[in-house]
Amino acid sequence: QLQLQESGPGLVKPSETLSLTCTVSGGSISGSSYYWGWLRQPPGGVPEWIGSINYGGPTYYNGSMESRVTVSVDTSKNQFFLNLRSVTAADTAVYYCATSLVNPDNWFNPWGQGTLVTVSS
Amino acid sequence: IQLTQSPSSLSAYVGDRVTITCRASQGISSYLAWYQQRPGKAPKLLIYAASTLQGGVPSRFSGSGSGTDFTLTISSLQPEDFATYYCQQLNSYPLFGGGTRVEIK
Repeated sequence: QLQLQESGPGLVKPSETLSLTCTVSGGSISGSSYYWGWLRQPPGGVPEWIGSINYGGPTYYNGSMESRVTVSVDTSKNQFFLNLRSVTAADTAVYYCATSLVNPDNWFNPWGQGTLVTVSS
Repeated sequence: IQLTQSPSSLSAYVGDRVTITCRASQGISSYLAWYQQRPGKAPKLLIYAASTLQGGVPSRFSGSGSGTDFTLTISSLQPEDFATYYCQQLNSYPLFGGGTRVEIK
């Protein structure tokens, strides 16, 4: 069964770039049926979708962050990545990677355990 | 589209029947999922396509609805069910409701 694990720095300075890696096990990231996504949840808040990528297919982003976000894939390592540029304190959150299928089956399952990223100087 | 969950929190006893509502600001057919999130854990998929139970999820959980009004029902609340529940719209921009926190009475 698919398992996902986030990794990356837990502290990022304001105006810098937040970079996270999601390592996928139990399946191939190059499978055409899957979308590989990033979501985040601020402390005490609601999950928010950031973006999703399909290997060999389109990448979709949350319009509110699209100008700052890049999601990419490395099939040789079975990993996908999140880069969020010009971060502020408002980007402090638990960041999750998760997988979904194509619309309309775009529920997220499974999720990684999440990693807390704090934006502070 | 906006998803409004009600109530935002509730208190209940073990064994109670609990119903949570998710209302969409416009019709979304049956394109809705429900998640459970325990403190410090990632959300866990319970139901998709409004009423289909995800494998391994206890049968005391059920979902219903279509169009704009959806419900998640727990038929007999168990100690491990005290958590926060979120709805998510499908077939479009992934958007979550504001959550319903279920607490022990």
